[in-house]
Amino acid sequence: EPEVTQTPSHQVTQMGQEVILRCVPISNHLYFYWYRQILGQKVEFLVSFYNNEISEKSEIFDDQFSVERPDGSNFTLKIRSTKLEDSAMYFCASSEYGMGNYGYTFGSGTRLTVV
Amino acid sequence: AQSVTQLGSHVSVSEGALVLLRCNYSSSVPPYLFWYVQYPNQGLQLLLKYTTGATLVKGINGFEAEFKKSETSFHLTKPSAHMSDAAEYFCAVSGGYNKLIFGAGTRLAVHP
Repeated sequence: EPEVTQTPSHQVTQMGQEVILRCVPISNHLYFYWYRQILGQKVEFLVSFYNNEISEKSEIFDDQFSVERPDGSNFTLKIRSTKLEDSAMYFCASSEYGMGNYGYTFGSGTRLTVV
Repeated sequence: AQSVTQLGSHVSVSEGALVLLRCNYSSSVPPYLFWYVQYPNQGLQLLLKYTTGATLVKGINGFEAEFKKSETSFHLTKPSAHMSDAAEYFCAVSGGYNKLIFGAGTRLAVHP
C-alpha cells in the first residue's frame, strides 16, 4: 500500500536554528498538508498546499514557517528560527482529490525536539 | 466553524468487552467524519470515515461507527476488545475543503 514517507523520524535542534522537515507524499496525490501534535495535545492543522501554492494556513503557521515542493516528489516544512515551543510531532499528509471524500494518508511523523 | 468533542480522555476496558469511544461534532455544513488511530510512536492511521450514504460505517480491525445527525454524534465501537487495540483514537471532522479538525483524543487501555 502506498505510503507517505517522512524524514528524519527524530530531530534535535538548538533554539534559534533552522530546521527542514522532509516528506515524500504518495506519487499521484496532488494535495499536501502539515499538521503538528504537541506532546499530550490534539493534532493541529498547520498548512495545506496545492498547485505549488499554499491554499490555507492556520494561525500557528506564522512567518517563521514555510513550505516548498522543491521537485516532483518532496514536500518540505521549514522552521526558520526554532523556539522551545516548536517541539512537537510533525505529520505530513497527502490526498489525491482534496480530503473531503477520501481523508488523508498520514506519514509516521517527525519528532522535533528544540533544546 | 467545525469542532469535535471526544468524551473521556482515557477509557479502560477488559479484553473481550465492548469498546465505545464517544465523539460529538459541530458543523455548519454536512460533515465528513473520520476516526484515526495512533499506536505508540507511530503516525495516524485511518480507521473509518463517513462522507455520505449509509450512516453505519465499518472500518478496519473490526471497528465501526454510526453517524447520528440528530445527536451530532459519531461514536466508535467494537464488540470485543483485543489487547492490540490499545492506542490513542482521534475523531476528526472536515473543516472545509482543505483541513481536518481533530478532537483531543481518547487513550484506550485494554487489560486482561
